[in-house]
Amino acid sequence: GQQVMQIPQYQHVQEGEDFTTYCNSSTTLSNIQWYKQRPGGHPVFLIQLVKSGEVKKQKRLTFQFGEAKKNSSLHITATQTTDVGTYFCAGQTSGTYKYIFGTGTRLKVLA
Amino acid sequence: SQTIHQWPATLVQPVGSPLSLECTVEGTSNPNLYWYRQAAGRGLQLLFYSVGIGQISSEVPQNLSASRPQDRQFILSSKKLLLSDSGFYLCAWNRDLRAYEQYFGPGTRLTVT
Repeated sequence: GQQVMQIPQYQHVQEGEDFTTYCNSSTTLSNIQWYKQRPGGHPVFLIQLVKSGEVKKQKRLTFQFGEAKKNSSLHITATQTTDVGTYFCAGQTSGTYKYIFGTGTRLKVLA
Repeated sequence: SQTIHQWPATLVQPVGSPLSLECTVEGTSNPNLYWYRQAAGRGLQLLFYSVGIGQISSEVPQNLSASRPQDRQFILSSKKLLLSDSGFYLCAWNRDLRAYEQYFGPGTRLTVT
C-alpha cells in the first residue's frame, strides 16, 4: 500500500539554527499538506502544495513540492523555541478523499 | 465559524470492555469526516473516513468500527477493547471536496488496561 516516510525522525537544534524535514511517498501525489503538532496537542494545518515544483513561504518556513510530486520538504530558517513540535506531511493521491500521513519529524529547539 | 468537538478527552478502559467515542462538527454541512489513531510518539494512522451519512470507508482491519448517523456526527466504536487499542484518537473534518485542509479535534487519549 501507499507509504509516506519522513526523515529525520528526530532533530535537536540550537536556537537560531536551520532545520529541514523531508517527506517521500511511494506513489505520485495529487497534493501534499504539512501539519504541526505541539506536544500534547492536535495537528494544525500549515500549508498545502498542489503543483509540481511548487515552493511556498510562510515567514521563516519554506515548503517545496518535488517535480515528480513524490517528495516534499519543509525548511525552517533560524529556529525559535516556538517551533518545537512534530511536523507531519500528509499526501493525497488522485481519486481518493483520504490522506496518508508521514511518520513525522520531532523537532526540539535548545535555547 | 466551524468547530469540532470530541469527547471524552481521556478514557481508561479495561481489556474486553466496549468503546464509544463521539465527534461532532458545527458550522458546516456535508463535511468529510476522518478518524485517526496516534500511538505514543508515532505518526497518524487513518482508521476510517466518511464522505456522507452512512458511508464509511475502513482503512485498517481491526476490532474497531465507525458510524455516521447524522451529517455532522462521527462515532468510533469497539465491542471488546484490546491492549493495542491504546492511543490518541483524533477526529478531523474537511470540506466536501478533495484537496482541502483537515481540521482536527482535541482528541481522546485512550488507555486500555
